[in-house]
Amino acid sequence: GDSVTQMEGPVTLSEEAFLTINCTYTATGYPSLFWYVQYPGEGLQLLLKATKADDKGSNKGFEATYRKETTSFHLEKGSVQVSDSAVYFCALGRDQLTFGKGTKLSVIP
Amino acid sequence: GAGVSQTPSNKVTEKGKYVELRCDPISGHTALYWYRQSLGQGPEFLIYFQGTGAADDSGLPNDRFFAVRPEGSVSTLKIQRTERGDSAVYLCASSFGGGAIDTQYFGPGTRLTVL
Repeated sequence: GDSVTQMEGPVTLSEEAFLTINCTYTATGYPSLFWYVQYPGEGLQLLLKATKADDKGSNKGFEATYRKETTSFHLEKGSVQVSDSAVYFCALGRDQLTFGKGTKLSVIP
Repeated sequence: GAGVSQTPSNKVTEKGKYVELRCDPISGHTALYWYRQSLGQGPEFLIYFQGTGAADDSGLPNDRFFAVRPEGSVSTLKIQRTERGDSAVYLCASSFGGGAIDTQYFGPGTRLTVL
């Protein structure tokens, strides 16, 4: 069945550091891929998505590229801010979503 | 406009009791999803409605769990004979039409604690 494996946290970075959170998936066919974010005290919200191979999703300075050959969808940001502190979930979707376990990011000033 | 709402926000019950969790989706969204999130884990799919019917209930863990959406809007997740292992945050999401491309919008969740 479908599964998502993402980098275990927690991850602690200094402000303005480069961020990568790795995500790989196992699935048949061509699912859509997503990154969701959960800020402290808030609900899950979509950060970005890609619906086919080689698509790049981007939002709020975050980017991820759908790599079919490596079955990956790594999340990157060039310069993190304290306000990016949150839990990040990689997911793949057909109808329902299959999530990874989440990666907690803490950004310190 | 209003987002997905869920009630109650917290529910504490005793082992063996029956509970109902409610989800009010975004107006006009035909697809509705229930997920369960245990501590330190990602959400796990339970059931997906398209309109009034359950399009996929393969994630329901056993026959103690049941969900309805009688008018194609509000949905209720029902858990009979609750067990301590049912303790989790139950999340509801809705999307405009369903399918892999439509964005799912999540509610704040109901935290269920079974004592």
